[in-house]
Amino acid sequence: KAGVTQTPRYLIKTRGQQVTLSCSPISGHRSVSWYQQTPGQGLQFLFEYFSETQRNKGNFPGRFSGRQFSNSRSEMNVSTLELGDSALYLCASSLGPSGSPKGETQYFGPGTRLLVL
Amino acid sequence: AQTVTQSQPEMSVQEAETVTLSCTYDTSESDYYLFWYKQPPSRQMILVIRQEAYKQQNATENRFSVNFQKAAKSFSLKISDSQLGDAAMYFCAYTTNYQLIWGAGTKLIIKP
Repeated sequence: KAGVTQTPRYLIKTRGQQVTLSCSPISGHRSVSWYQQTPGQGLQFLFEYFSETQRNKGNFPGRFSGRQFSNSRSEMNVSTLELGDSALYLCASSLGPSGSPKGETQYFGPGTRLLVL
Repeated sequence: AQTVTQSQPEMSVQEAETVTLSCTYDTSESDYYLFWYKQPPSRQMILVIRQEAYKQQNATENRFSVNFQKAAKSFSLKISDSQLGDAAMYFCAYTTNYQLIWGAGTKLIIKP
């Protein structure tokens, strides 16, 4: 079974631009979570989608948004990019919602490295 | 507050030796799950081990095992017979109703 794929793998943008990142989950997985990872802040939860509905959102400004399609593929968008948005963006998929009560295991993609200049 | 504390930002171990990574967490829930994930320098996050809180028996996966102390809210990871391929960032996490709560990670260095 193919793993989680993320495109693009690397991206360079300038301040003020917007960017869209894509995530294709493992076949059969209906939940997709997004994380921002930086050396100083660790893994920060952005949001989780399950069956096209956003279940939960982390503490990020409204410039960060996402959506999930009927085939479970997900996209996240960052508008008006800032230098501080430079990070590795990780996508993880699971069969169902990642939190309790089932605690489904999350499977991660390789990430998209975003550099904002 | 729901938090995960990994008190060792960095640890090193000699190849073939045993190392234990610590993790404590804070939750008021009685039913939850705990995870250890590994992120090698290639950046792909990989599940190491998963533990169900209601199970008394500690989970094991080959050379990886946990010491789960529910009352103490402690979930340490023991790596036996350390190998060079074990070098990575290790993250501890647990579930709440809507998400995973993650620790800041421990960087494990393997000395040949």
